[in-house]
Amino acid sequence: AQSVTQLGSHVSVSEGALVLLRCNYSSSVPPYLFWYVQYPNQGLQLLLKYTSAATLVKGINGFEAEFKKSETSFHLTKPSAHMRDAAEYFCAAHGSGNTGKLIFGQGTTLQVKP
Amino acid sequence: GAGVSQSPSNKVTEKGKDVELRCDPISGHTALYWYRQSLGQGLEFLIYFQGNSAPDKSGLPSDRFSAERTGGSVSTLTIQRTQQEDSAVYLCASSSHLGGTEAFFGQGTRLTVV
Repeated sequence: AQSVTQLGSHVSVSEGALVLLRCNYSSSVPPYLFWYVQYPNQGLQLLLKYTSAATLVKGINGFEAEFKKSETSFHLTKPSAHMRDAAEYFCAAHGSGNTGKLIFGQGTTLQVKP
Repeated sequence: GAGVSQSPSNKVTEKGKDVELRCDPISGHTALYWYRQSLGQGLEFLIYFQGNSAPDKSGLPSDRFSAERTGGSVSTLTIQRTQQEDSAVYLCASSSHLGGTEAFFGQGTRLTVV
C-alpha cells in the first residue's frame, strides 16, 4: 500500500537559516507528489507539486522540492527561513492511474526563531 | 463557487446526537475527499468520491460514519451517535480529475462532542 512518511514532527530553525523538511514515499510506481502548508486556523494551501515533468520543482514563497526516485524522497527546502514560514507542512502522494486516494504524511510543524 | 465551502464552520454537539457536515466543492470538480484532522495528528483519509460514487471508503472509522454525494456536487458526511473521540476538524477537498491535479481544501468544520 502506498504511504507517505515525514521525518520529524517538529523542526525548529532560526530566521535566515536553511529549511529542510523530509518526506519519503512508498510506492512501486512513482506517484504524483505534493507539499501543502497549513497556517494556524487556516485550511491547507498547495506549495508545490511533482508530476514527472521536472525533478526539481519550485513552489510559492521561495520553497522548492526535489524528487529523487532512487531515494523515494521528495524533501522540501527553502534557503532562508522567514518568520511567516512558521506553519504545519504536509507531504502528500497521489498514485498514478485510477487509485483515487490522496495520502498525507503526519505533518511537520516548522518553528522559526528570531 | 470560488472555492470549497464547508458548513458549519463550527459545531458543538452532545454525545449521542447525530451530526451532518456539508461540503460544496469547486464547480466542475469530479473528485471529492473527506479527511479528519485531530489535534496533533496528520490528515486521516475518510472517503473519496468520483462523481457520485465512492470507490474508496476504507477510511471511515466505523459504521456510525457515512457520506453521500448528489448531483456530482454537494457531499454530506453524517456521524451518528457521536462520541467524544469524534471531536476533530473535518476537512473536505475537491479536484478536477485524478492524477497530478492538486486538491483544493475547504476551511474545515470543527466538531466538538461534549
